[in-house]
Amino acid sequence: GQQLNQSPQSMFIQEGEDVSMNCTSSSIFNTWLWYKQDPGEGPVLLIALYKAGELTSNGRLTAQFGTTRKDSFLNISASIPSDVGIYFCAGQRNSGGYQKVTFGTGTKLQVIP
Amino acid sequence: KAGVTQTPRYLIKTRGQQVTLSCSPISGHRSVSWYQQTPGQGLQFLFEYFSETQRNKGNFPGRFSGRQFSNSRSEMNVSTLELGDSALYLCASSPGASGLPNEQFFGPGTRLTVL
Repeated sequence: GQQLNQSPQSMFIQEGEDVSMNCTSSSIFNTWLWYKQDPGEGPVLLIALYKAGELTSNGRLTAQFGTTRKDSFLNISASIPSDVGIYFCAGQRNSGGYQKVTFGTGTKLQVIP
Repeated sequence: KAGVTQTPRYLIKTRGQQVTLSCSPISGHRSVSWYQQTPGQGLQFLFEYFSETQRNKGNFPGRFSGRQFSNSRSEMNVSTLELGDSALYLCASSPGASGLPNEQFFGPGTRLTVL
């Protein structure tokens, strides 16, 4: 099935650094979601965005709904070791009267203490 | 509210056998989606059920099937297991109704190992 393109695919950063990742699509979405998956666990919802241009924060995490509605961005400030994991974006759009979800390919984050 | 539960958490089977995995969604959620995740891979969509009907299907062979019961609980079945079926199988529940946001909430997954 279709997947959204996430970049970078993986990244190694030093503890304390800021992180940016993005998600792009050729399709328009009306909702963007960001999830984090710890090893061996299910993804956990971090942030939900509902309007083009919307900027939402959750602690050190900030996500933005791109103005074209075809992309979204996630920033993590002052990274810490527990930020390690895989980050997935997900877009939702109307399909047959309900909101159909499409997931991104994931960004694997490693934090070096 | 209790979260999404999946049973069993771990399972070991041999090639050729079949397996059934279970998912109980968040109370009030009517949609259940299933995903396969192999090491280092993303979330491969298997299928989605809403109100006991399959609403969406991914590109998996017919050996993978599912169903949903009237209480929204869902089961996934894999027949004639192959080594490549070893993966983490994730279930996600969402409200699913038309016109509403449809954020998915995931269970902890079932780790299936095929020997």
